[in-house]
Amino acid sequence: DIQMTQSPSTLSASVGDRVTITCRASQSISYFLAWFQQKPGKAPKLLIYKTSTLASGVPSRFSGSGSGTEFTLTISSLQPDDFATYHCQQYNSFTWTFGQGTKVEIK
Amino acid sequence: QITLKESGPTLVKPTQTLTLTCTFSGFSLSTSGVGVGWIRQPPGKALEWLALIYWDDDKRYTPSLKSSLTITKDTSKNQVILTLTNMDPVHTATYYCVRHVRGVPDYWGQGALVTVSS
Repeated sequence: DIQMTQSPSTLSASVGDRVTITCRASQSISYFLAWFQQKPGKAPKLLIYKTSTLASGVPSRFSGSGSGTEFTLTISSLQPDDFATYHCQQYNSFTWTFGQGTKVEIK
Repeated sequence: QITLKESGPTLVKPTQTLTLTCTFSGFSLSTSGVGVGWIRQPPGKALEWLALIYWDDDKRYTPSLKSSLTITKDTSKNQVILTLTNMDPVHTATYYCVRHVRGVPDYWGQGALVTVSS
């Protein structure tokens, strides 16, 4: 299995802050990485796929970058609606794996 | 409008078999590149990808549970069925049905909480 490791596990930030979350793969996954946003009691929502392609309707303050084994999700200016848990997922191998999640909370 | 909805028991006993049904609308599982799969999330824990069935009946399973999982589809009914044998309390989780297009999970059901307890 390809293991996905996210950091940090929890992030405290304020509205307007620039926020970066990192996801590392245990082996190269090329650019086959997706990011999801999840709010309490809700299903995850696709934000970004293929490392940097925004899903439909996702605000442009979200961006993704990376390749191979290291990837980042950046929120350029954190908004009140962005406080949530973020998950990365690789889909390069014959099976899919998620990171453990990063909770973005209010500072 | 694309929707997916999970249905099945909310409570199962240890060692029993869980059967979950995903009923979807707004797309066809006969379309090239499309798949429907299952992802679960124990309370307060990380997401775990379980299984996926493609439009061409290709099936994928997470290696750690491969011997316990079966995924099937009924294209005419727009349904995908997941069975998980030998349920254990650690399998208590919200189970999500998810559409995949070219490998990307893009639409999720609302989720179904399944508790494993005697």
